[in-house]
Amino acid sequence: GENVEQHPSTLSVQEGDSAVIKCTYSDSASNYFPWYKQELGKGPQLIIDIRSNVGEKKDQRIAVTLNKTAKHFSLHITETQPEDSAVYFCAASRPSNYGGSQGNLIFGKGTKLSVKP
Amino acid sequence: ETGVTQTPRHLVMGMTNKKSLKCEQHLGHNAMYWYKQSAKKPLELMFVYSLEERVENNSVPSRFSPECPNSSHLFLHLHTLQPEDSALYLCASSQAVLSTDTQYFGPGTRLTVL
Repeated sequence: GENVEQHPSTLSVQEGDSAVIKCTYSDSASNYFPWYKQELGKGPQLIIDIRSNVGEKKDQRIAVTLNKTAKHFSLHITETQPEDSAVYFCAASRPSNYGGSQGNLIFGKGTKLSVKP
Repeated sequence: ETGVTQTPRHLVMGMTNKKSLKCEQHLGHNAMYWYKQSAKKPLELMFVYSLEERVENNSVPSRFSPECPNSSHLFLHLHTLQPEDSALYLCASSQAVLSTDTQYFGPGTRLTVL
């Protein structure tokens, strides 16, 4: 089955700097890669996602890149702000009903990002 | 807020107790999920419901029993739990059980088993 590795587990940056979180996946059939942000006391919230037919996607200060050949994808946050401090999770899934699968999301272990003012 | 609510937010129970977690979604979605979140581990999918029918059970022990009476409500009935079951239990919903459908999570129930 799919396995998602996420690095680093903790990341501390100064306000205004960039932050990069990397994930690798094992199942070449995976085609959907969302990123979730979890703030203290809340559930994970989708912040950006990318599909395998796209190499890069950007939304204001957040961008995600995908390298299908190497089976890795990354989250880039530019001009970090204290409110970006949270735990970030990457995930991967294969198409629904692929080989009988429901296309469930497989999550990484998370990265705790701290942005220091 | 995400449109997914969970009660209670915190629960402490003994190993012989029986309790239930409740989830309600106000998004008109047809799919609902239970996840277990433990420290330093990835989110673990427990159960998936589509239109009130269970479509996935990821080898979850029988001491966890889900119930989905309608597409807006999801319960997780707990009995004879173990201390290692202590975790944050998250409910989520999506429009359908499709891999590319965004899942909206509730705030979770922090469960402590003594």
